[in-house]
Amino acid sequence: SQTIHQWPATLVQPVGSPLSLECTVEGTSNPNLYWYRQAAGRGLQLLFYSVGIGQISSEVPQNLSASRPQDRQFILSSKKLLLSDSGFYLCAWSAGQQYQPQHFGDGTRLSIL
Amino acid sequence: DQQVKQNSPSLSVQEGRISILNCDYTNSMFDYFLWYKKYPAEGPTFLISISSIKDKNEDGRFTVFLNKSAKHLSLHIVPSQPGDSAVYFCAASGGVSGSARQLTFGSGTQLTVLP
Repeated sequence: SQTIHQWPATLVQPVGSPLSLECTVEGTSNPNLYWYRQAAGRGLQLLFYSVGIGQISSEVPQNLSASRPQDRQFILSSKKLLLSDSGFYLCAWSAGQQYQPQHFGDGTRLSIL
Repeated sequence: DQQVKQNSPSLSVQEGRISILNCDYTNSMFDYFLWYKKYPAEGPTFLISISSIKDKNEDGRFTVFLNKSAKHLSLHIVPSQPGDSAVYFCAASGGVSGSARQLTFGSGTQLTVLP
């Protein structure tokens, strides 16, 4: 069966520091991969999605970037974190066909001080 | 502009009774709809989905109904159990080409099933 791993579960970082969050998927090939953020009191917002290695689409302009160096690995990064980057970050995968649900990891709680 | 709306932030139901969670959408391009359940400190768990060519989909205790003319969907849980207590999100996608289907989420409804 397929599983998705995200780490770390919680992270506290100072303003201006870099960020790297990693997500890996097991048990499937060529998945679509997604990064979402949930800010406090708000719904889930799609940040990035990828349909293949090296292919990244950005949904909102921001201080973050994403990369997909391997088929089942998705990384969320920042060179300099802002206070507004605080939130709950979720990675998800789906099969490549149409009408397939997305399956989420357990998320990373990021606090910027 | 909220394209997917869950107008009830909370719902309480007695164990064994039916839970009905509602969701409205505004984007007529949406053609795939999903329900997720979320516990605190965990990611959303997929429950059930429906495409726009259907008006009902059933999986065990969970049934999703889609009314395209009203742009409304609902999730029925029968019978409700205390373990069903969680936040429920509806989500929708559609109107994009390619295989990546970006989901738009509602704000969630906290379901509490009372023993």
